[in-house]
Amino acid sequence: DAEITQSPRHKITETGRQVTLACHQTWNHNNMFWYRQDLGHGLRLIHYSYGVHDTNKGEVSDGYSVSRSNTEDLPLTLESAASSQTSVYFCASSGPNYGYTFGSGTRLTVV
Amino acid sequence: SQKIEQNSEALNIQEGKTATLTCNYTNYSPAYLQWYRQDPGRGPVFLLLIRENEKEKRKERLKVTFDTTLKQSLFHITASQPADSATYLCALPNFGNEKLTFGTGTRLTIIP
Repeated sequence: DAEITQSPRHKITETGRQVTLACHQTWNHNNMFWYRQDLGHGLRLIHYSYGVHDTNKGEVSDGYSVSRSNTEDLPLTLESAASSQTSVYFCASSGPNYGYTFGSGTRLTVV
Repeated sequence: SQKIEQNSEALNIQEGKTATLTCNYTNYSPAYLQWYRQDPGRGPVFLLLIRENEKEKRKERLKVTFDTTLKQSLFHITASQPADSATYLCALPNFGNEKLTFGTGTRLTIIP
């Protein structure tokens, strides 16, 4: 069965370190998205991609980057982790006329 | 971009009754609106999509309405069960593209 997987599920890192969160989907979806979810803010869009080599900034993109070298993967990199980036991160993908399919999330703690 | 209000943070409903959740939006009317369910520690799960030319959509015990004049969607769960307890999110696309803006959700608890 097609799926979308995120790794790791939990991560603790130190302030200033570079961190990469993985997202892999086997739906063959062109559209992929990264959101962060925080209490009181709901899901906020970080970056998104509509296809290979396409990347776009969302509403909270500062301090984050993504790259799309193939259809299946959209890794999210925190260039220099900050405590404000402690959050739960969700990756999602979508095809035409369908809702989003979300991964199970990565809980990131920056200490 | 869209601003979305789900006007109940938490809602408690007796088992067997109908739960009704509200989603209001400002700015432009979207081509469609979506509802998701999220359980603790899990990612949201897509439930229903309703288009602007559809007044109502049903899926098993779920019913969604979409009123573009009121800029509102209502999400109903009939014959509610404790297993329906979860957070429900509404989401709308931003104008001219497919990226979704999500509401903060309503935490629904069905009391046995």
